[in-house]
Amino acid sequence: TQLLEQSPQFLSIQEGENLTVYCNSSSVFSSLQWYRQEPGEGPVLLVTVVTGGEVKKLKRLTFQFGDARKDSSLHITAAQPGDTGLYLCADADSWGKLQFGAGTQVVVTP
Amino acid sequence: DAGITQSPRHKVTETGTPVTLRCHQTENHRYMYWYRQDPGHGLRLIHYSYGVKDTDKGEVSDGYSVSRSKTEDFLLTLESATSSQTSVYFCAISDGRGAGQETQYFGPGTRLLVL
Repeated sequence: TQLLEQSPQFLSIQEGENLTVYCNSSSVFSSLQWYRQEPGEGPVLLVTVVTGGEVKKLKRLTFQFGDARKDSSLHITAAQPGDTGLYLCADADSWGKLQFGAGTQVVVTP
Repeated sequence: DAGITQSPRHKVTETGTPVTLRCHQTENHRYMYWYRQDPGHGLRLIHYSYGVKDTDKGEVSDGYSVSRSKTEDFLLTLESATSSQTSVYFCAISDGRGAGQETQYFGPGTRLLVL
């Protein structure tokens, strides 16, 4: 059974600071997806990465996929209060079934 | 926003009673999923459907059953609710054409408390 570990579990920073959260798998990802979930809502897909070494950027968010496809990081530059949320990584198999990590709770204070 | 609704949004029930949660979509997507979310576990897949009357088990299916008689509706039933099934339940949909790389859209969730 694949194990997904996310770190840290909780991160609290001031507006304007940078942050990085990590996702590590015990086995190779089929494809890796990052989601953000706000309180009282369902997760929303941010990005899908498939190829080892891949880097994707979404405004102030940078996603990196490890060369061996067993780890990933999400870096936020100049965080804003709107970036507050639970960041989840997930492995998506060919049926679209998702296996999630436990998530990193990010709080950005003004 | 993808057209996904879940009902009820909140429910309190007693141990041993049956409970049915409904997921309704207006996107005509083929795939539908039920997840539960608990602190420290992220979201875990309960059951999924890849078409009308086609369903399969997920990671944590014990104590749950599902039915899909129409494309737009996916029902999750707790035959005899237990306190361990207290959780937030999310429905998700996808068109399934991306071989695992497609977007899954999540509903707003149902918060269930079993006393």
